[in-house]
Amino acid sequence: QQQVKQSPQSLIVQKGGISIINCAYENTAFDYFPWYQQFPGKGPALLIAIRPDVSEKKEGRFTISFNKSAKQFSLHIMDSQPGDSATYFCAANSGSRLTFGEGTQLTVNP
Amino acid sequence: DADVTQTPRNRITKTGKRIMLECSQTKGHDRMYWYRQDPGLGLRLIYYSFDVKDINKGEISDGYSVSRQAQAKFSLSLESAIPNQTALYFCATSDPSGRATGSYNEQFFGPGTRLTVL
Repeated sequence: QQQVKQSPQSLIVQKGGISIINCAYENTAFDYFPWYQQFPGKGPALLIAIRPDVSEKKEGRFTISFNKSAKQFSLHIMDSQPGDSATYFCAANSGSRLTFGEGTQLTVNP
Repeated sequence: DADVTQTPRNRITKTGKRIMLECSQTKGHDRMYWYRQDPGLGLRLIYYSFDVKDINKGEISDGYSVSRQAQAKFSLSLESAIPNQTALYFCATSDPSGRATGSYNEQFFGPGTRLTVL
């Protein structure tokens, strides 16, 4: 049973466009929601994260929107660039354990 | 640079063989994790350890065992490998205080081991 569900599985965006990846969770004990970015042949690396008492967090072109009542959160990548092409994982933390979503493979065409 | 390393990077083995994947870290973190990555399933936790004397099962521990030999070393074993254990395996470490990075429980991943069981 996947406690964190992520969509879409793959996404193709033109350079300069907005990429949006969505996640939903079930466990209300989750207390921290990070996004990880993974390039081919590499391990995932933390991109941006949010706590559930905040509705939005922005770092450069990356923004997390968080809706606690709906148990949903999303990653927005503004002005998407070819260098953003990677696999993105949402995750949720409980007791220092992360539960990951299924992943989204993002391709940004030049 | 403080780092997380995994050996081997690639391994092909046969059904029924015993295999060990090794992870070493120079970050000084107490917490270490083993995950497997499968297409469409994301990263799933196999085992985790919060210190040398603490070992815990994750969501998919069946068929796997681990050993925490020291703060810096955490090994994953497949006692009798089977084809559905073919996957990409990652080791990760974390410092839950986030003192170094300002990020709570940021996990630092190794480069992964691609395991194929024939």
